[in-house]
Amino acid sequence: TQLLEQSPQFLSIQEGENLTVYCNSSSVFSSLQWYRQEPGEGPVLLVTVVTGGEVKKLKRLTFQFGDARKDSSLHITAAQPGDTGLYLCETGNQFYFGTGTSLTVIP
Amino acid sequence: EAQVTQNPRYLITVTGKKLTVTCSQNMNHEYMSWYRQDPGLGLRQIYYSMNVEVTDKGDVPEGYKVSRKEKRNFPLILESPSPNQTSLYFCASSLSWGENNSPLHFGNGTRLTVT
Repeated sequence: TQLLEQSPQFLSIQEGENLTVYCNSSSVFSSLQWYRQEPGEGPVLLVTVVTGGEVKKLKRLTFQFGDARKDSSLHITAAQPGDTGLYLCETGNQFYFGTGTSLTVIP
Repeated sequence: EAQVTQNPRYLITVTGKKLTVTCSQNMNHEYMSWYRQDPGLGLRQIYYSMNVEVTDKGDVPEGYKVSRKEKRNFPLILESPSPNQTSLYFCASSLSWGENNSPLHFGNGTRLTVT
């Protein structure tokens, strides 16, 4: 049983399109973190969300923490090839990871 | 520069030949851990350490050993590697465990192949 379910598992889109990836759980978390992993490298932190309903923006990336603190989403506006990578969510204080969403942005 | 350093980056070995993957962090972090990453299975925690001389099993500890004699170092030891331990391994550290807003900092990975 996976503590954090991420969807979709794979996503391939054209440059300029918008997309949303999801991180869902049946458990409540005090915080949740999103990472991006590029090929050949370790994951790098993008953002931490702490408050239910919180929305954080990082340039073209918008992160939302569900009101019940059981789920989160990542929305990318006008995707670029540099956004290509594996996106991982992680429970903020227990270090469990979801299986990830592998995003490919085609020029 | 604050970083987590793993060595080696690539390792090919044979079944049964003991090996050690080193991990060092220069951020004075209390928490360190090892993960393996396999297609379709995501990042799975092998062992973790909340401080010097304190280590504990993660989700997939079988076939691995660790030690934490110093704060900065957390080596991963495979006493008798087997082909099912072929994987991409990551070491990570964090300021502390169980605290919000204390993210993991990862090394660049070690790709291990056991034949």
